[in-house]
Amino acid sequence: GQNIDQPTEMTATEGAIVQINCTYQTSGFNGLFWYQQHAGEAPTFLSYNVLDGLEEKGRFSSFLSRSKGYSYLLLKELQMKDSASYLCARLAAFYFGSGTKLNVKP
Amino acid sequence: GAGVSQTPSNKVTEKGKYVELRCDPISGHTALYWYRQSLGQGPEFLIYFQGTGAADDSGLPNDRFFAVRPEGSVSTLKIQRTERGDSAVYLCASSPITGEGKNEQFFGPGTRLTVL
Repeated sequence: GQNIDQPTEMTATEGAIVQINCTYQTSGFNGLFWYQQHAGEAPTFLSYNVLDGLEEKGRFSSFLSRSKGYSYLLLKELQMKDSASYLCARLAAFYFGSGTKLNVKP
Repeated sequence: GAGVSQTPSNKVTEKGKYVELRCDPISGHTALYWYRQSLGQGPEFLIYFQGTGAADDSGLPNDRFFAVRPEGSVSTLKIQRTERGDSAVYLCASSPITGEGKNEQFFGPGTRLTVL
C-alpha cells in the first residue's frame, strides 16, 4: 500500500550481515518503522526513524533518507532465529510494505 | 503486563453471515488500529481510533466493514454479509500517543477469519 517497495525474499548465511532496503512515497511522511514478523505470529517492533541518519540498536540498525524516500534495515551477526519477514511501514496512516522474507542458512 | 488480546483466535463462517471480532488493547493506550493480513502480504490498514473516535477509516474496503470503540478501550470490528475474499488474519494493535510522535504499535495475536 501507498507505494512502499521492498524485496520479496532474501537469503543470507549465519554470522553474516544483511541489508534490507525499503523505498516509499515521500508525501505526508511522518516517520518510518521496521517490524519483524515470524511465520504465524504478529509483527513486533524493531525500529523507528523520523530524522535522517542511522539508528543503532544492538545487532539491528535502521537508516533513513527522507529526501530520497529510502530506508534500510541492517542486521549484523545473523542468527538462525532472525529468519522472519521484515516489514517496512510509514506513518501518515500506517502503511506497510509486503515484507521481505529473510532466510538465514547455516 | 498483559498485551493486546484478540478474540476469537479463529473464526470460520459461511458466506453472507455477520461476524464480530474483538480487540482488548493494552490498558492506557489511547490509539487502536485494525489491519488485515493475507498470506505473503504486509498488514493492510483498515481503521485507526484515537480514544472513542475513528481518526482515520480510509482503509475500510467498503460499507460492509464497521468498527466501534464506544468507551475508548475495547474495540469491535464488524463485518456484514461476509464474502470469501474477506478471509484473512485480522490484526489489532494499540499504542500510547507520545509527544515525540513515535507511535510504536503493539500487535495482538490476530483473529484468523475463514469465510467458506
